[in-house]
Amino acid sequence: GAGVSQSPSNKVTEKGKDVELRCDPISGHTALYWYRQRLGQGLEFLIYFQGNSAPDKSGLPSDRFSAERTGESVSTLTIQRTQQEDSAVYLCASSVGRNQPQHFGDGTRLSIL
Amino acid sequence: ILNVEQSPQSLHVQEGDSTNFTCSFPSSNFYALHWYRWETAKSPEALFVMTLNGDEKKKGRISATLNTKEGYSYLYIKGSQPEDSATYLCASSNAGGTSYGKLTFGQGTILTVHP
Repeated sequence: GAGVSQSPSNKVTEKGKDVELRCDPISGHTALYWYRQRLGQGLEFLIYFQGNSAPDKSGLPSDRFSAERTGESVSTLTIQRTQQEDSAVYLCASSVGRNQPQHFGDGTRLSIL
Repeated sequence: ILNVEQSPQSLHVQEGDSTNFTCSFPSSNFYALHWYRWETAKSPEALFVMTLNGDEKKKGRISATLNTKEGYSYLYIKGSQPEDSATYLCASSNAGGTSYGKLTFGQGTILTVHP
């Protein structure tokens, strides 16, 4: 069956540009998570959506980062005015509910020049 | 323990060896402990989710135990094979509030199994 799909798989952009990353979760999964992994570091939580509840945005590193999810479907993570420290692999995961095993996408590798 | 910590950071073993590694996590307000395997060029794959103190789970040659009172979990691999080579991640979540689905990940243990 279809897994979590992320696009683009790679993105190279200039410092100062805005980028939008997309995540298609597994159908029926109410929970959706965004993480990032910067070079040499562990997985860092960014934001978590659960159904129609208010998202947990506690991991977003600055107000340049925002994310949206409509219902239980696609989510987009937007980074405005990108900086070089935003370079990372951005991973999306979904699960059938809170504290259930998470299914990860292949990630978007973002490089800021 | 305020963060999730894993040890060792990396491990090299020979094919056929059995091995284990440790995950330490905050025991207060604990809800769940997850283990994932992350192979190079792939996405992380869920191994286990455990919630109960004393819980033991097994998947083939891999098993895990959980001690929620002292805040640690062990992952065991019996008879390691080269295909077991991967980064093994653990993550914990806390109970209550709007964030109890949120996972805090450790830095991972990188396992290399030599033929």
